[in-house]
Amino acid sequence: EVQLAQSGAEVKKPGESLKISCQVSGYTFTNYWIGWVRQMPGKGLEWVGIIFPSDSDTRYGPSFQGHVTISVDKSINTAYLHWSSLRASDTAMYYCARQFCVAGICPFDSWGEGTLVTVSS
Amino acid sequence: DIEMTQSPSSLSASVGDRVTITCRASRDITTYVNWYQQKPGRAPKLLIYAASSLQSGVPSRFGGSGSGTDFTLTITGLQPEDVATYYCQQTDITPRTFGPGTKVDLK
Repeated sequence: EVQLAQSGAEVKKPGESLKISCQVSGYTFTNYWIGWVRQMPGKGLEWVGIIFPSDSDTRYGPSFQGHVTISVDKSINTAYLHWSSLRASDTAMYYCARQFCVAGICPFDSWGEGTLVTVSS
Repeated sequence: DIEMTQSPSSLSASVGDRVTITCRASRDITTYVNWYQQKPGRAPKLLIYAASSLQSGVPSRFGGSGSGTDFTLTITGLQPEDVATYYCQQTDITPRTFGPGTKVDLK
């Protein structure tokens, strides 16, 4: 069974750094892209970016480029989303999800439960 | 970027009703559209991929259609457990943008 286990909720201050994680099991980690999706309180889904664990090829959404970093540790089947300097506007639920491709069409077919990040002074 | 729009933004329907949600892309994306269901406090769940393919385990009352710029998600016979917000997503190019969502509740 495919599972994505996300790290727990975080409360941080503006300017602090943070790395949240997504550990996968039930499939070969290096064969599928992993993505991150943001959901701000009461709002819709926003595509943050994706990474291919095999070679760390990474793509970012324009609103997130330069503000977050997506990485992986293949030795422990884990993907990360990292901020070096948080802003209050980063307050949101962050989901990781596996991207599964069929005939070139690549939905997110399995999702983690989400990590709530709260940034407040 | 490709912009995705959805209509309506919300709707109320009765159990057993046929519900239709529309998604429009800002340019031709052939059938590179997926649909997700998100219940309150839960992670999204994939319902439909490639515009019309039903994800394994999803009830057959959910269906998708369309190509090019206009797509439709249909629930044939709404059930109480279908109360949720529904999102379309294009996966033609990155960033793989989502629509703003359609909230479905019971009348």
